[in-house]
Amino acid sequence: DADVTQTPRNRITKTGKRIMLECSQTKGHDRMYWYRQDPGLGLRLIYYSFDVKDINKGEISDGYSVSRQAQAKFSLSLESAIPNQTALYFCATRRQGRQETQYFGPGTRLLVL
Amino acid sequence: GQNIDQPTEMTATEGAIVQINCTYQTSGFNGLFWYQQHAGEAPTFLSYNVLDGLEEKGRFSSFLSRSKGYSYLLLKELQMKDSASYLCAVRDVFSGNTPLVFGKGTRLSVIA
Repeated sequence: DADVTQTPRNRITKTGKRIMLECSQTKGHDRMYWYRQDPGLGLRLIYYSFDVKDINKGEISDGYSVSRQAQAKFSLSLESAIPNQTALYFCATRRQGRQETQYFGPGTRLLVL
Repeated sequence: GQNIDQPTEMTATEGAIVQINCTYQTSGFNGLFWYQQHAGEAPTFLSYNVLDGLEEKGRFSSFLSRSKGYSYLLLKELQMKDSASYLCAVRDVFSGNTPLVFGKGTRLSVIA
């Protein structure tokens, strides 16, 4: 079983719709992250969380919100989807410690029409 | 702020050696990571450097010079399956709890 899972894996939606992307992890890590990846722009951070009560904005948080329902779950919402939010979205987790790497989920491919 | 630069694309021949460079500018430094990402898949961890020098791990090695803000990933005995994007990522010491900042990645094509 995968340690970091994302649902859905693919999603097509229309402009103006609200959608939620979900991330779950079984690694027991306290830190969770949401990134988006666009061709030519690399991975950009949307939001991150160090624990259930700690949520922080990343580089490109406008138009997104998150919820850390439990240590193992971190959801990303697009309140009113727009076409330029079409991208590949990755969730990642990490254990505390500077040498600790981030582990990525398989990604959600989102298309906003 | 942080700025991370990598070449956009590289091509190399099967069996050869390729070096992918990464330069960074940060207000502090608390470690550099390399990831491999095949098209449409998640990035996977390759290496971590926090002290100057070379870290070797099988066919892959990573080098760091903190004074020059420079790292490279060296891939030996290239195989077709090494065709992927390679991402350099830096952690800033003054924000040691913040996530990694990623470069835009280098897309490597291995040809026969």
